Amino acid sequence: DVKVTQSSRYLVKRTGEKVFLECVQDMDHENMFWYRQDPGLGLRLIYFSYDVKMKEKGDIPEGYSVSREKKERFSLILESASTNQTSMYLCASCASSLKTQYFGPGTRLLVL
Amino acid sequence: KQEVTQIPAALSVPEGENLVLNCSFTDSAIYNLQWFRQDPGKGLTSLLLIQSSQREQTSGRLNASLDKSSGRSTLYIAASQPGDSATYLCAVKSGGGADGLTFGKGTHLIIQP
Repeated sequence: DVKVTQSSRYLVKRTGEKVFLECVQDMDHENMFWYRQDPGLGLRLIYFSYDVKMKEKGDIPEGYSVSREKKERFSLILESASTNQTSMYLCASCASSLKTQYFGPGTRLLVL
Repeated sequence: KQEVTQIPAALSVPEGENLVLNCSFTDSAIYNLQWFRQDPGKGLTSLLLIQSSQREQTSGRLNASLDKSSGRSTLYIAASQPGDSATYLCAVKSGGGADGLTFGKGTHLIIQP
């Protein structure tokens, strides 16, 4: 079974802090994704990566950056957390662009 | 820009009923469509993936259909059970590259025992 893990289930940070969200997949998948999910807005794509060190902006990249130094790990970075980044963050991966996306359990981030 | 709509937003039915969840998308040029299930506070679980060349996919009591030309998909759940209670999300893959999915806002389903 594909397993996508995220480093934290719940996280509380202060405004202005630098925040790292980690995602690891164990199936040698090429593509990895970060989404955020908000009530009334659904899931929206922040960034995605199709190879090590390769990254592309999604629909809402502002205020975020990403890092993919190893194939299995994709990190989302909030350079200076703001209250409007309070959200549920979901990581996903897939073997190739037309294959099933598998999701991690999510990280619920609260920025105070 | 692709938009995905799911109707109804919420649905409550007695146990044992067959039910249909609807999904529509504005741009019919999709590569595939995926149905997910999400339990409260959890991540998404993939249920079915339909490629653009396919008309339907089945898994157990679930059957998903795709009519690409009309921009519609349905998820049919047979003999519903309380354990089916969850939010069901529809998502489409519009680009052929590594870009992500466009999601609907989901149907919140409650199966009454």
